[in-house]
Amino acid sequence: NAGVMQNPRHLVRRRGQEARLRCSPMKGHSHVYWYRQLPEEGLKFMVYLQKENIIDESGMPKERFSAEFPKEGPSILRIQQVVRGDSAAYFCASSGTGNTEAFFGQGTRLTVV
Amino acid sequence: GIQVEQSPPDLILQEGANSTLRCNFSDSVNNLQWFHQNPWGQLINLFYIPSGTKQNGRLSATTVATERYSLLYISSSQTTDSGVYFCAVDSGGSNYKLTFGKGTLLTVNP
Repeated sequence: NAGVMQNPRHLVRRRGQEARLRCSPMKGHSHVYWYRQLPEEGLKFMVYLQKENIIDESGMPKERFSAEFPKEGPSILRIQQVVRGDSAAYFCASSGTGNTEAFFGQGTRLTVV
Repeated sequence: GIQVEQSPPDLILQEGANSTLRCNFSDSVNNLQWFHQNPWGQLINLFYIPSGTKQNGRLSATTVATERYSLLYISSSQTTDSGVYFCAVDSGGSNYKLTFGKGTLLTVNP
């Protein structure tokens, strides 16, 4: 079984550009979560999605950040007009229905220059 | 929200030594997981252990839910065990939103 797949592994964006991070959950998993790891803050929950639904976005910054998990295709975390403070590792995790164990992808390391 | 404290923050071992990492949490949990973040940044699942004891090779874990702590044991450590070990628990009322501790940075020297 393939694990949680994230791409790209590394992403460099200039200030003001858009960043799109992709996540394909493990086969059979319908729950997707995004976490951010900032150097001084550790790993923090951002958003929880199921197919076509945002269940909990309490950890998402109010502006510039959005997430989706369409009926077909991967989950996307979108960051508009990136700033230097968005530089971080972004991890996607997935879990199956009825099982709360979360499995993490390899992460996308975003660098804003 | 729930608090997660891990100790020690840093640990340096010689290859072959044993170690115990601790995770204390401030409220009852439905989900507790241990992860290893290797030097390349990848988060690897070690254990899903909201209660009880599990073993996987040289690693084992015990969670005493009633006393709100979990222990991760590493025996006969190897250099490849180096990295950061995280404990994560669900935040009260939500069994999916994980709150992570700050981690234990383990360095195993040859």
